[in-house]
Formats: sequence, structure tokens, C-alpha cells
Amino acid sequence: DAGVTQSPTHLIKTRGQHVTLRCSPISGHKSVSWYQQVLGQGPQFIFQYYEKEERGRGNFPDRFSARQFPNYSSELNVNALLLGDSALYLCASSPSTPRDLASGGYEQYFGPGTRLTVT
Amino acid sequence: ELKVEQNPLFLSMQEGKNYTIYCNYSTTSDRLYWYRQDPGKSLESLFVLLSNGAVKQEGRLMASLDTKARLSTLHITAAVHDLSATYFCAVDRDDKIIFGKGTRLHILP
Repeated sequence: DAGVTQSPTHLIKTRGQHVTLRCSPISGHKSVSWYQQVLGQGPQFIFQYYEKEERGRGNFPDRFSARQFPNYSSELNVNALLLGDSALYLCASSPSTPRDLASGGYEQYFGPGTRLTVT
Repeated sequence: ELKVEQNPLFLSMQEGKNYTIYCNYSTTSDRLYWYRQDPGKSLESLFVLLSNGAVKQEGRLMASLDTKARLSTLHITAAVHDLSATYFCAVDRDDKIIFGKGTRLHILP
């Protein structure tokens, strides 16, 4: 089975532009989460979606938005890009959600990431 | 606000030695996760710890969880060069997953 896929791999944008990042989860996984990882730091939680509904949101401005489609793939949109948005954006999929205690844990499978550079 | 702190942030050690990475978190959570990240790569799930006293082992790595102390440890036994990577712990609360800053582990041959 294919793992989590993300596109594009790399992206260079200019300040003020808009960007859309895409993620396809592992087949059968209904949960997708997005993270921002700045060089040398841990991943910062942006969003979690399950069954096309937003289940969790991190401390990011409204310029960041996301959605999940009926096939469980997801898009992360960032408007009015700032230099500080330069980072590795990671998508993770899971068959469950953190609150699904019966699943035995919330194991996430991460994609390779999209490296966004804002100039 | 949930905070996750790891220490040390950087560790250089000789092959064959044992060492422990510590992960403290600030509010109640019953689940803790450990991940590994190689340079330029994505994250790989190592352990999911679900309850107080949970202990899991895979090869030379062993993770444990003490929810009362809000502490998890990742113990490395007889380190080998292949274990060089950055290790992250993460805790979930209210559908948010909060990561520590990571421990960059460098094992010298």
C-alpha cells in the first residue's frame, strides 16, 4: 500500500501570495492532520480533520485554512504569505482520532512533507 | 496551555553506551507518542504509550510513561550509529497534538 503522499515536494512563493498544499492519506484512513515544522523545531499542530469535519485547530492565524474531501484527501491553504511561513509542512494520516480511545491509540503516519520557501 | 519539554536538546554519545531522553508535559494526558526524524526526512512513529506505567521496547529503544509525574523516558541501550536522529515526544489533548522541541542524538562510532 502507498503511504501518505504530499504535493508539491518543494515550492517557492513571494510574500503576499497564496499557496495550496495537498495530501492524500493512506487508504482506509479517515483522519488527516497538518503540521508546520520550522527548521530546528518540533512540528507545530495546525489542523486535524476527521470524516471531513474539523476536529482540532492549533494557534495559527486565519490566513491558514484547510478542508477534507469525500475521498479523505486534504488541502491546506495559506493566504497572504509571510516570510515566517517558510517551513516544512507535514501531513499525517490516521485511521482514528485522538479521542477514539477504543482504537488503542492515535498512531499517525507522516508524509514526506512540502518544503515551502517564501521570499 | 499544554507544554511539552524534552531534555537534553542535544546529545552526543559513544557507541555502546546507554542514555535516557526525558519528556515532561504540563497538563493531564493519558497518551504519549515518540517519533524519530532523520535529517531532511519526515517523521516515523516509534511508540504509542496509552496508560500509566506503560512500557514498550523495540530493539535498543525502550519507552515508558508515568502519567502521575507527567514524564516519559526514552532509553537507549548500547547505542549504535544507526540510531543517530532527532527524537520527538508528543502529547495529545483536546484533539491537539503538541510536540516537544526534539532531542538531536549524535552517536559517535
